[in-house]
Amino acid sequence: DAGVIQSPRHEVTEMGQEVTLRCKPISGHNSLFWYRQTMMRGLELLIYFNNNVPIDDSGMPEDRFSAKMPNASFSTLKIQPSEPRDSAVYFCASSYIASVYQETQYFGPGTRLLVL
Amino acid sequence: DQQVKQNSPSLSVQEGRISILNCDYTNSMFDYFLWYKKYPAEGPTFLISISSIKDKNEDGRFTVFLNKSAKHLSLHIVPSQPGDSAVYFCAAVGGSQGNLIFGKGTKLSVKP
Repeated sequence: DAGVIQSPRHEVTEMGQEVTLRCKPISGHNSLFWYRQTMMRGLELLIYFNNNVPIDDSGMPEDRFSAKMPNASFSTLKIQPSEPRDSAVYFCASSYIASVYQETQYFGPGTRLLVL
Repeated sequence: DQQVKQNSPSLSVQEGRISILNCDYTNSMFDYFLWYKKYPAEGPTFLISISSIKDKNEDGRFTVFLNKSAKHLSLHIVPSQPGDSAVYFCAAVGGSQGNLIFGKGTKLSVKP
């Protein structure tokens, strides 16, 4: 398996522009997670989906952030409009949850976002 | 408020010696703990885990110890190798939390 695939790997944009990050989870996994990593806050969960349904989006910082999972093999995280403080590395992860216990999450390589 | 804390942002160890990375948690409902390793420009990768019904789990050079009364876990790497140099994240899950809660990470440097 190719693992979790994220695109783009790097994104540089200007403040006010729309940014779309993409993720393809591992085939067969039923849960998908979006994380943001910054020096100040470390690795923080933004939102996670189970069977394509958003379960917890309490980590989404503002209405400028939105995430969708139209099918089991694709998800997007959109920031509109982007601001310099959104600059961070954004990770997507997937796992298979068969019970209440969290199974191991597999992370993608991340998207490094810089908003000027 | 941080539920999972890694109080040492960095650790430097000589090759061949033991590396001990520490993690504290505040939520007594956590019942499953994981360690992830992260190299620069890559996503975190799963390293080892432990359930709260155990106090020790070993996998090769890596051992995780859990002290539930102290709400503390540690990762031991012995012997440490230069390739172990990475950022190590502690994570926990359980209770009402349906997702992993990560610490901020500890950067381990193993010097030859």
